[in-house]
Amino acid sequence: AQSVTQLGSHVSVSEGALVLLRCNYSSSVPPYLFWYVQYPNQGLQLLLKYTTGATLVKGINGFEAEFKKSETSFHLTKPSAHMSDAAEYFCAVSRFGGSQGNLIFGKGTKLSVKP
Amino acid sequence: DTGVSQNPRHKITKRGQNVTFRCDPISEHNRLYWYRQTLGQGPEFLTYFQNEAQLEKSRLLSDRFSAERPKGSFSTLEIQRTEQGDSAMYLCASSFAGLAETQYFGPGTRLLVL
Repeated sequence: AQSVTQLGSHVSVSEGALVLLRCNYSSSVPPYLFWYVQYPNQGLQLLLKYTTGATLVKGINGFEAEFKKSETSFHLTKPSAHMSDAAEYFCAVSRFGGSQGNLIFGKGTKLSVKP
Repeated sequence: DTGVSQNPRHKITKRGQNVTFRCDPISEHNRLYWYRQTLGQGPEFLTYFQNEAQLEKSRLLSDRFSAERPKGSFSTLEIQRTEQGDSAMYLCASSFAGLAETQYFGPGTRLLVL
């Protein structure tokens, strides 16, 4: 069965510092992986997704993630944090892979950015 | 494209009452999902529709919960005889079925059961 583990429920960085949010997955099929961001009182917004092909995926707002099959990881990074990046970030795996719909989410990591 | 909308945004009810939430998906999307999110947790899948057909229901969806999508457009989620444990954020998402589809989420309905 598919599952997602996000290491660290809270991460705090200084403005301009590297952002690294960790995600490990378990999947019995080739995974489709997603990162979503949730701002207060808003719905989830897709940052990026990995399907097949290039393992380094670039998303919106300067974020990127690298799929590492050997490490079963899909960590999210951003070279330089901005105050507007403060939000909660969720890693997710598609339950059956491919187009089979429903997502399994991690518990989320709340990112704080200090001035 | 006006995005996914959900109504109401907030609902406070007393234990034992019935509540109904509505989700209006992005118009061309044929799939619609319901998730539940409790404090400190990621969203958990409840059910989904492809057009009018309800294709899957999670074990989380007890018999007090029912969802419909009568004309393949908007959807309603009803909770009967609410319990305090039903307090959560209920999220709706829609997508166009396909490989590695992207689900677009609404802002959610926050339910508080007193």
